[in-house]
Amino acid sequence: DQQVKQNSPSLSVQEGRISILNCDYTNSMFDYFLWYKKYPAEGPTFLISISSIKDKNEDGRFTVFLNKSAKHLSLHIVPSQPGDSAVYFCAASETSGTYKYIFGTGTRLKVLA
Amino acid sequence: NAGVTQTPKFQVLKTGQSMTLQCAQDMNHEYMSWYRQDPGMGLRLIHYSVGAGITDQGEVPNGYNVSRSTTEDFPLRLLSAAPSQTSVYFCASSYSSGGGPQHFGDGTRLSIL
Repeated sequence: DQQVKQNSPSLSVQEGRISILNCDYTNSMFDYFLWYKKYPAEGPTFLISISSIKDKNEDGRFTVFLNKSAKHLSLHIVPSQPGDSAVYFCAASETSGTYKYIFGTGTRLKVLA
Repeated sequence: NAGVTQTPKFQVLKTGQSMTLQCAQDMNHEYMSWYRQDPGMGLRLIHYSVGAGITDQGEVPNGYNVSRSTTEDFPLRLLSAAPSQTSVYFCASSYSSGGGPQHFGDGTRLSIL
């Protein structure tokens, strides 16, 4: 049973437009959520996170939104740049429980110049 | 500042052979974990550790052993390699298990023939 799901395997967006990547989770005990970016032949790199006590967190061009009632989070990238082309993973953890970080299957973003 | 170092980067094994994937971090992080990445499956947690001497199972622990004798090192052992263990393996660490981002190594690409 997949506890963290990214239902869109791929997404293409024009440069300068908004990219929206979605993630759903099933475990109500998750209270910390992260987004990672991964280039080929490299390890994932941390992008942005959000605690369950917030519903929005911004860092430059990246904003993460959390809807706890829907068990849904999204990553917005505005404006999208060709260098943003990568695979994006969302992850979730229980900070006071099992401490497991569970990842989604990833969404491949392609930003077209 | 090395961060998380994984060795080797590539390895080919025959079915039934054993080997150890090495992971070391120099950031004095308490939390370390191992993931495998397979096409369409995202990153799946194999084992994790919340501190020296403490390990626990993740989502896909079968066929793998770990130990954590020091804060810095968290090796992953395959006792009898199987073709189903062909994958890319990532090691990660974070300052604590209480909700911080993980830092990843660049991965070990393992092929079992």
